[in-house]
Amino acid sequence: QLVLTQSPSASASLGASVKLTCTLTSGHSSFAIAWHQQQPEKGPRYLMKLNSDGSHSRGDGIPDRFSGSSSGAERYLTISSLQSEDEADYYCQTWGTGIRVFGGGTKLTVL
Amino acid sequence: QVQLVESGGGLVKPGGSLRLSCAASGFTFSDYYMSWIRQAPGKGLEWVSYISSSGSTIYYADSVKGRFTISRDNAKNSLYLQMNSLRVEDTAVYYCTRAGGSGYYLDYWGQGTLVTVSS
Repeated sequence: QLVLTQSPSASASLGASVKLTCTLTSGHSSFAIAWHQQQPEKGPRYLMKLNSDGSHSRGDGIPDRFSGSSSGAERYLTISSLQSEDEADYYCQTWGTGIRVFGGGTKLTVL
Repeated sequence: QVQLVESGGGLVKPGGSLRLSCAASGFTFSDYYMSWIRQAPGKGLEWVSYISSSGSTIYYADSVKGRFTISRDNAKNSLYLQMNSLRVEDTAVYYCTRAGGSGYYLDYWGQGTLVTVSS
């Protein structure tokens, strides 16, 4: 069964960097994912597609402070030079035949 | 620029029906898979359904199978979600999304429309 696991919460200081993790279930370590950001009281926004080899392509207008990387079944989203507007929920998403799956989301707090 | 504008949400009683619409602009609608995603109050994102660019391939989440119907009108650049036999647990903001990369990842989102199922 295709499942994505995310830590419920994370925090980091203004101006620092943070690395969020999304873990694919065993047997799906070759899958690509997408990262989405949802700021408070707003709809989600696509950040990037992230492949199993760590290559990634950001969405329109997404700054290069947002980057992705991969290791085995883990997919990472790194946000550098944290800004107050980066405080948001971050969701990973993947796909299979006839199904689209979201992780439970990570709530990022910028201290 | 890509725009997705949902409409049709509102308050409906359990067992009732509602039809959501999504008006797309800024891209060649007929070239893209489209999906509906929902978010219950205070909860995470849940995939509901997707439809291929031609409309020939359709899939649903188990939670809505047999009750919801996705469709599209490429001539009108519009996506629809017919929701029947609505339940309290269907209460959510419903988002229309475009799927990039052969229909896999969701690269544009609408602003959402709220559906409330309550007696």
